[in-house]
Amino acid sequence: DAGVIQSPRHEVTEMGQEVTLRCKPISGHNSLFWYRQTMMRGLELLIYFNNNVPIDDSGMPEDRFSAKMPNASFSTLKIQPSEPRDSAVYFCASTQGTSGYTFGSGTRLTVV
Amino acid sequence: SQQGEEDPQALSIQEGENATMNCSYKTSINNLQWYRQNSGRGLVHLILIRSNEREKHSGRLRVTLDTSKKSSSLLITASRAADTASYFCATVFRTDSSYKLIFGSGTRLLVRP
Repeated sequence: DAGVIQSPRHEVTEMGQEVTLRCKPISGHNSLFWYRQTMMRGLELLIYFNNNVPIDDSGMPEDRFSAKMPNASFSTLKIQPSEPRDSAVYFCASTQGTSGYTFGSGTRLTVV
Repeated sequence: SQQGEEDPQALSIQEGENATMNCSYKTSINNLQWYRQNSGRGLVHLILIRSNEREKHSGRLRVTLDTSKKSSSLLITASRAADTASYFCATVFRTDSSYKLIFGSGTRLLVRP
């Protein structure tokens, strides 16, 4: 298995633009998580899905953020419009049950 | 917040010494996990200890869990320069419909050659 695959690895965009981050979880994993990591706030859970259904999006900072999981093998995190304070590393992780989570390599987002 | 708190925030030791990192959390958990993150990289799962376990070993790693004190520790024995990284504890607890994993603030470990 190639692990959790995230794309792009790096994204630089101008303030106000739409940003879409992508994640392919490990096949067979039934839960998918989006995290954001910054120096100031550490690792924050944004939203997670169980069997493709959003369970808890209380960590999503604003309405500008949205996430979807149209099927078991794909999820997106969208920011529209993006702002400089959204700059961070965004991680996707997947797991089966309560086992150890497998993280992707992350997307480093810079909004200028 | 369910977030675990870790101490120390930073730890610098000599190669060959043992490194101990501590984690405290706030509510009942299903399990507790430790992760490692090298600078600029993703997180790697190291070890998981369930709420009914008290100690677990994996290679040079030893994890303890004290549910009465809501705390855990990670011990790395005979440290190596390659162990230099940030280490995070993360707690898994049940919500109404699923489980979620919340991370602590992390310990930055520097192992000097």
